[in-house]
Amino acid sequence: DAMVIQNPRYQVTQFGKPVTLSCSQTLNHNVMYWYQQKSSQAPKLLFHYYDKDFNNEADTPDNFQSRRPNTSFCFLDIRSPGLGDAAMYLCATSTGGSADTQYFGPGTRLTVL
Amino acid sequence: DQQVKQNSPSLSVQEGRISILNCDYTNSMFDYFLWYKKYPAEGPTFLISISSIKDKNEDGRFTVFLNKSAKHLSLHIVPSQPGDSAVYFCAARNQAGTALIFGKGTTLSVSS
Repeated sequence: DAMVIQNPRYQVTQFGKPVTLSCSQTLNHNVMYWYQQKSSQAPKLLFHYYDKDFNNEADTPDNFQSRRPNTSFCFLDIRSPGLGDAAMYLCATSTGGSADTQYFGPGTRLTVL
Repeated sequence: DQQVKQNSPSLSVQEGRISILNCDYTNSMFDYFLWYKKYPAEGPTFLISISSIKDKNEDGRFTVFLNKSAKHLSLHIVPSQPGDSAVYFCAARNQAGTALIFGKGTTLSVSS
């Protein structure tokens, strides 16, 4: 089945220790997104790639970076995680067309100790 | 400032009855609206969508209604089933390939 895969599902890191979250897709979609969702809040977009074009949201902290080495993979790098970065990180993909439904992966739950 | 609002944090419904989940938005430039369902520890699953040029879209037990003049949309689930118990997010966007703006979600509980 075509899908969006996120690894790991659960990630524990220490305060200030860099961490990388991974997303891959078999849908061959042009656009890949990273959202952050904190408890009882709406998912919030951090940034997205339209093909190779990187689009950063204005209020995304510099501590968050992303890489998309090819169509299938996208990474979220948190350079120095703080306690406030503990959240669910959701990857999504879409075609970028007019009826542009975003399909989400299962998420990675990040804990910062 | 929330552009997409789901004012009811929770809704309880009996099995077999209708569930109506509501969503209001403020940005008149939104052109596409979606509903997602989310179980604990999982990512949101796409349910149904509607373009701003339509006022209704139906898929099985799920129907979404859009009232552009009121900037309001609703999701109807008929009949409700216990497996429908989840958090439902309303989302909107104003351009293809850009961010979805989500509401905070409504937790639906369907009792048997």
